[in-house]
Amino acid sequence: NAGVTQTPKFRILKIGQSMTLQCTQDMNHNYMYWYRQDPGMGLKLIYYSVGAGITDKGEVPNGYNVSRSTTEDFPLRLELAAPSQTSVYFCASKRIAGGAETQYFGPGTRLLVL
Amino acid sequence: AQTVTQSQPEMSVQEAETVTLSCTYDTSESNYYLFWYKQPPSRQMILVIRQEAYKQQNATENRFSVNFQKAAKSFSLKISDSQLGDTAMYFCAFMKLGNEKLTFGTGTRLTIIP
Repeated sequence: NAGVTQTPKFRILKIGQSMTLQCTQDMNHNYMYWYRQDPGMGLKLIYYSVGAGITDKGEVPNGYNVSRSTTEDFPLRLELAAPSQTSVYFCASKRIAGGAETQYFGPGTRLLVL
Repeated sequence: AQTVTQSQPEMSVQEAETVTLSCTYDTSESNYYLFWYKQPPSRQMILVIRQEAYKQQNATENRFSVNFQKAAKSFSLKISDSQLGDTAMYFCAFMKLGNEKLTFGTGTRLTIIP
C-alpha cells in the first residue's frame, strides 16, 4: 500500500490564481481530512469527509472547496489564492469514526502564494 | 471550544536521557481522546501515543508514556532512553468523543544531542 499520497509536493501561485491539491488513499478508508499548518503552529482542520458524497467544514474552511466523488480521492480546491493561504497542507485518512482509530497522514504539499 | 497549550517551544536533551514534554488543555467535555503526534524533518505526521479520557491507566508505547491528569487537564509525554531518531516536532492534540475534529497545540521542537 502506498498509503496517503499528495500532489504536488510544492507549488508557487500568484494571487488570484486557482489550483487543486490532490489527495489519494489506497487503504479503503471512509474518513478523509484536509489540514493546513502555518509556520510554528499546529495543524488546523479545513474540511473533512465521512464517505463518498459527504463533506463537512472544519475549523478554517473559508477560501477552500472540496469534493468526494470516490472513496479514494479527496481533492482540495483553492479558487482565488491569497497570501494568507501560504501554508503546508496535509491530507489524512482513517478507516472509521472515533478517536480510537489512527489517522494516517500524507507527506504534505507546500504552497506559496505571492 | 477546546484549546490545547504546549508551553515549551523548544527542548533539547542528551541521547539516552529521559525527557518530558508538557501539554495542557481546556474543555468542558468529559469524554474525549488525547494524542501525541511526532513530525520529523520529513514533515510526515506520525501518531506516537493516544489516551482515552475514561481510562485511568496511563498509556504506554515502548519508550513513550504519558502522565494523564484529568482533573488538572494535563497530558505530558515522557520519552525514555531518547534516541537521535526522536528529534522532531511533537504536537499534542485533543478530540471530543463523537466529533471528528482534532485540535492541535503549537508544538514542541525536541532535539536529541549525540
